[in-house]
Amino acid sequence: GESVGLHLPTLSVQEGDNSIINCAYSNSASDYFIWYKQESGKGPQFIIDIRSNMDKRQGQRVTVLLNKTVKHLSLQIAATQPGDSAVYFCAEERGSQGNLIFGKGTKLSVKP
Amino acid sequence: GAVVSQHPSWVICKSGTSVKIECRSLDFQATTMFWYRQFPKQSLMLMATSNEGSKATYEQGVEKDKFLINHASLTLSTLTVTSAHPEDSSFYICSARVAGGPQEQYFGPGTRLTVT
Repeated sequence: GESVGLHLPTLSVQEGDNSIINCAYSNSASDYFIWYKQESGKGPQFIIDIRSNMDKRQGQRVTVLLNKTVKHLSLQIAATQPGDSAVYFCAEERGSQGNLIFGKGTKLSVKP
Repeated sequence: GAVVSQHPSWVICKSGTSVKIECRSLDFQATTMFWYRQFPKQSLMLMATSNEGSKATYEQGVEKDKFLINHASLTLSTLTVTSAHPEDSSFYICSARVAGGPQEQYFGPGTRLTVT
């Protein structure tokens, strides 16, 4: 069935390096995507979002890239810090009420 | 702003009993709230969409008679797990959208349910 998935379950980076987390989606009709950060035992925290009429959006230290041709989404974190260690989920909005379909998640570990 | 709270943050109950979890939007009104379930090391799975003043819409495979959802006001939605079993043990998370606002959903901190 259609789903939003992540390529890598874990990612380990050195503090100060850039991180790239990838996500593939299968519903070409989706027009709104969000990246969330979830720390252990907590609810998801909004990081950045992007609509399908854009291919890039930047925030503070984070950039989301959207490639509609191959249905691929990525989250780039610049100068990764230990506080960035968490599980990152991409989510795809479906339906008129804004239902979110979450990907499997990537655990990011930042080594000091 | 846009804070969502959940109560309790964790609960332990015996098999066969019912547990109620509250989701509140503290500083905004939410016509739509969502309930998710998350098992360890897994992603969030949408259980149901809750609209103020109307019946909730459940996702396929979620038993509406087991997971009772009530959204009686613009700031409160409740999820009641009835006749809980150990397999219902999970992390339950709610989210809310600002009434008439942007698409962004604001998530609560989650409730850890353990059924013994």
